[in-house]
Amino acid sequence: EVQLVESGGGLVKPGESLRLSCAASGFTFSRDWMSWVRQAPGKGLEWVGRIKSKADGGAADYAAPVKGRFTISRDESKNTLYLQMNSLESEDTAVYYCTREPQISGWNGWFDPWGLGTLVTVSS
Amino acid sequence: DVQMTQSPSTLSASVGDRVTITCRASHSISSWLAWYQQKPGEAPKLLIYKASTLESGVPSRFSGSGSGTEFTLTISSLQPEDFATYYCQQYYSYRDFGQGTKLEIK
Repeated sequence: EVQLVESGGGLVKPGESLRLSCAASGFTFSRDWMSWVRQAPGKGLEWVGRIKSKADGGAADYAAPVKGRFTISRDESKNTLYLQMNSLESEDTAVYYCTREPQISGWNGWFDPWGLGTLVTVSS
Repeated sequence: DVQMTQSPSTLSASVGDRVTITCRASHSISSWLAWYQQKPGEAPKLLIYKASTLESGVPSRFSGSGSGTEFTLTISSLQPEDFATYYCQQYYSYRDFGQGTKLEIK
């Protein structure tokens, strides 16, 4: 069974940093692109960024609101995805979901499955 | 960015109704569109990808159509478990979500 389990959320002050982790199991982690998606309380889904597989170059791309502050990385030896968040702002308060972009016939881009999410609260 | 706009934002319907949710893209995304269902307190669940391909295990009352800039999600006969919020998502250029459509019981 494909499973994604996020951890590392919590309460931080504006300007502080936090690193989220996502432990993956049940699939070949190294092969798939991975994304982070967030959801502010009572709001819709917002894509944060994604990282390609190493076979596809391993580059990461980010949404405009987090570019320059957030960094996505992956450790194939631990089957783990990371989201390093720096210079956190109150607007970053959200549940952060880890999700996989499965490949079918060489195409990907949709998200399946999703982890249960981890809550990040930025408040003084 | 590709702007994704869903309509309506809220939809009231009854069990057994046929309902349609529309998603419009700010420019053509071919068929690179997915639909998700999210219930309160839960993670989103994939329903459809590539505009019309039903994810394995998703009931056949769900269907998707469209290409280019206009897409629809149709539920042919609403069941009690279908009352939830639905999101479209493009993956033609990076990834963007629509703002969501909340499907409520009438």
